[in-house]
Amino acid sequence: QSALTQPPSASGSPGQSVTISCTGTSSDVGEHDYVSWYQQHPGKAPKLMIYEVSKRPSGVPDRFSGSKSGNTASLTVSGLQAEDEADYYCSSYAGSKNWVFGGGTKLTVL
Amino acid sequence: EVQLVESGGGLVQPGGSLRLSCAAYGFSFSNYWMSWVRQAPGKGLEWVANIKPDESEKYYVDSVEGRFTIFRDNAKNSLYLQMNSLRVEDTAVYYCTRHGDWRFEYWGQGTLVTVSS
Repeated sequence: QSALTQPPSASGSPGQSVTISCTGTSSDVGEHDYVSWYQQHPGKAPKLMIYEVSKRPSGVPDRFSGSKSGNTASLTVSGLQAEDEADYYCSSYAGSKNWVFGGGTKLTVL
Repeated sequence: EVQLVESGGGLVQPGGSLRLSCAAYGFSFSNYWMSWVRQAPGKGLEWVANIKPDESEKYYVDSVEGRFTIFRDNAKNSLYLQMNSLRVEDTAVYYCTRHGDWRFEYWGQGTLVTVSS
């Protein structure tokens, strides 16, 4: 049940694109297409942004997209906006009804 | 509208016990897997435990196995987390979450548990 690995920080200017990586193992990210991404603003509860690697819940802008290659998943935010500044966490199903999260990435909009 | 409202957090001494509650609104509670996820101050998210709709299956992260118990009352649309033998490292905001298929679809606002002497 080791945490997934995310970069502690990422940044981009308004209008630019930024990609956040999430690296796991062949037992979690690599084995299951059940990677999800959560956005958390300070003092608020996390919000689901992407599920099953690349699907968006209704209401989430299409500027947010997800992908996966091998043991690494990625979240891309295109056309950065000020309100995208937040912490982002990836999560993966790890088998045996267990779940694991990444350490989080603080996204700064310059 | 789906709503999850946690309660029961507070200050407790190491070795003590606390029971968290989560009241669910706006969906058929008895049809969904539920989880508790925690976040230590300034740290990342950690899945703690989950429970099947009929309570027939329960799973825990290794660090709380044997100390925490997740359970639910479908008649009261409520989820619980009984926490015993609490440690300083259990200090965190505890979130109640409803599963969608393979995701944590809805989150409560969280309740803070502080373990300190």
